[in-house]
Amino acid sequence: NAGVMQNPRHLVRRRGQEARLRCSPMKGHSHVYWYRQLPEEGLKFMVYLQKENIIDESGMPKERFSAEFPKEGPSILRIQQVVRGDSAAYFCASSPGESYEQYFGPGTRLTVT
Amino acid sequence: GENVEQHPSTLSVQEGDSAVIKCTYSDSASNYFPWYKQELGKRPQLIIDIRSNVGEKKDQRIAVTLNKTAKHFSLHITETQPEDSAVYFCAASGGGSNYKLTFGKGTLLTVNP
Repeated sequence: NAGVMQNPRHLVRRRGQEARLRCSPMKGHSHVYWYRQLPEEGLKFMVYLQKENIIDESGMPKERFSAEFPKEGPSILRIQQVVRGDSAAYFCASSPGESYEQYFGPGTRLTVT
Repeated sequence: GENVEQHPSTLSVQEGDSAVIKCTYSDSASNYFPWYKQELGKRPQLIIDIRSNVGEKKDQRIAVTLNKTAKHFSLHITETQPEDSAVYFCAASGGGSNYKLTFGKGTLLTVNP
């Protein structure tokens, strides 16, 4: 029973480039959450998605950031025109339907140079 | 929105001693309170959780208590071992159908052999 998968695990981008982060939820899980963790800080909620629906994007910056969870395939967090302040670990978590328990992936560590 | 405060930010104990980490939350509608353990460079792992209709829950050496009136909950680890050393995060999830988690800033627990 594979856990939550994320790729890439490490991503280096120059300022102004685009970053695409992928998350495959656990088998049978239909809810995905994205969180951002800055160095030595807690996790901050970004967006909550169900298949083909954005449920809550209140934690997502209004510009440059977008997320999707299509009917087929992984959830994608997309950051356009990255800046140094976007450097962080991005974690996704999944849960089985209407459930509180969230299981985290290994994270993608984004470094913007 | 929800706000979660966590104390202390660092905690150092001797092997075999107990460790207690405390959190307070602001939204009285919150009804789910998980605790996550995160080792350096790893994913957050759910170690125990409690729902608002329960005052205490125990799982071997770890226990969580919840005081809804005071809006605080605590993690208790007994007979600590060096492998318990990690960052621990508390979180709260609000009511309704939005399951997003609001995290505390974390507690770095060091268990000295």
